[in-house]
Amino acid sequence: DGGITQSPKYLFRKEGQNVTLSCEQNLNHDAMYWYRQDPGQGLRLIYYSQIVNDFQKGDIAEGYSVSREKKESFPLTVTSAQKNPTAFYLCASSLPIHRGNQPQHFGDGTRLSIL
Amino acid sequence: DAKTTQPPSMDCAEGRAANLPCNHSTISGNEYVYWYRQIHSQGPQYIIHGLKNNETNEMASLIITEDRKSSTLILPHATLRDTAVYYCIVRVITQGGSEKLVFGKGMKLTVNP
Repeated sequence: DGGITQSPKYLFRKEGQNVTLSCEQNLNHDAMYWYRQDPGQGLRLIYYSQIVNDFQKGDIAEGYSVSREKKESFPLTVTSAQKNPTAFYLCASSLPIHRGNQPQHFGDGTRLSIL
Repeated sequence: DAKTTQPPSMDCAEGRAANLPCNHSTISGNEYVYWYRQIHSQGPQYIIHGLKNNETNEMASLIITEDRKSSTLILPHATLRDTAVYYCIVRVITQGGSEKLVFGKGMKLTVNP
């Protein structure tokens, strides 16, 4: 089945450490997104990428970095500069807008906690 | 800066229709309304979207007012598995031609037996 795979499901980080969250999709989607969700809140956009080797900052990019070397993969690094990294992180993908108004498809998320 | 407003919660009896309201009074002419739902600790699930016409699919119906300032998601026969947080979202097109989903806090729907 086609879909988006996020791993790991749970992740723990020590203070001062960088950590990388994985997101892989086999939907042949060009666009990929990273969101952050805090308890009782909606999703906020961290970074997005419309095409390989290109990405843009979202609304809350500080303390995060991404890469897009392959169409299928869009890893997110939470750096030590992110002062409050504990959250639920969601990855999504979609076709580009010019190919119709198709919805974003989401993975099942990674829950990051600070030890 | 969410562009939608929803009540925080709603209850519905199993088997009855659930009508979920959403206000989006500042929506622009080319901005779509999308609905997603999220069950605890899972990723959001797409339900339906529309621009100005009413839409229906196998999951739900979407009714958009003529002035596009509000919409209603209708689950025709709610089941216990429809209990979730429902997000009414405006899809914004950025200056670079990318899309951006603007999430609010959503509305918790509880379907009761």
